[in-house]
Amino acid sequence: ETGVTQTPRHLVMGMTNKKSLKCEQHLGHNAMYWYKQSAKKPLELMFVYNFKEQTENNSVPSRFSPECPNSSHLFLHLHTLQPEDSALYLCASSHPFPDPSSYGYTFGSGTRLTVV
Amino acid sequence: AQTVTQSQPEMSVQEAETVTLSCTYDTSESDYYLFWYKQPPSRQMILVIRQEAYKQQNATENRFSVNFQKAAKSFSLKISDSQLGDAAMYFCAYRSTGKLIFGQGTTLQVKP
Repeated sequence: ETGVTQTPRHLVMGMTNKKSLKCEQHLGHNAMYWYKQSAKKPLELMFVYNFKEQTENNSVPSRFSPECPNSSHLFLHLHTLQPEDSALYLCASSHPFPDPSSYGYTFGSGTRLTVV
Repeated sequence: AQTVTQSQPEMSVQEAETVTLSCTYDTSESDYYLFWYKQPPSRQMILVIRQEAYKQQNATENRFSVNFQKAAKSFSLKISDSQLGDAAMYFCAYRSTGKLIFGQGTTLQVKP
């Protein structure tokens, strides 16, 4: 357990469903991130939040909708997904750069999403 | 734009032997951090070692050490006395202004 908790660990959803992924950290970090990890591809940064404000959206389709109600919680709301969205979704947190204690990111264990 | 390249999709090493994983990166920044992460089958991304670009001395963490060549933009990871528990996917990563950018990963197999 690293201090970043993601739920659920596994999720199977149909293309017409709506579901949400949850990420929680109590490390005192003020930056949170969503990454997508597909087979045979590098990790893709999806969204960045600093102090609850979204600071980066890397051209992610609108069927992915992030929400950051406070610095400890991050959600990824999913709707009308496609089979190619099946992947491991990783959440991470960190101190905002250039904090001198910036030891990279702390990751959760991810949610394995399968879209059928 | 910054990029990170790991040219070895798969590597294998005999238990107790030494293996080196390669990583190169491209950046115009002078101040940045470099990292190696390990991702075992449990999926947890674990920080193995980090290097500040302004430090000339190579970082070491027990059996893990790096060879940081700033001019060549090279950042390789050496694992000494390899153990079965070292089997995992290893990612090289770069961070400057905030984003952590990953390479494609290298799958390390450890043979008993």
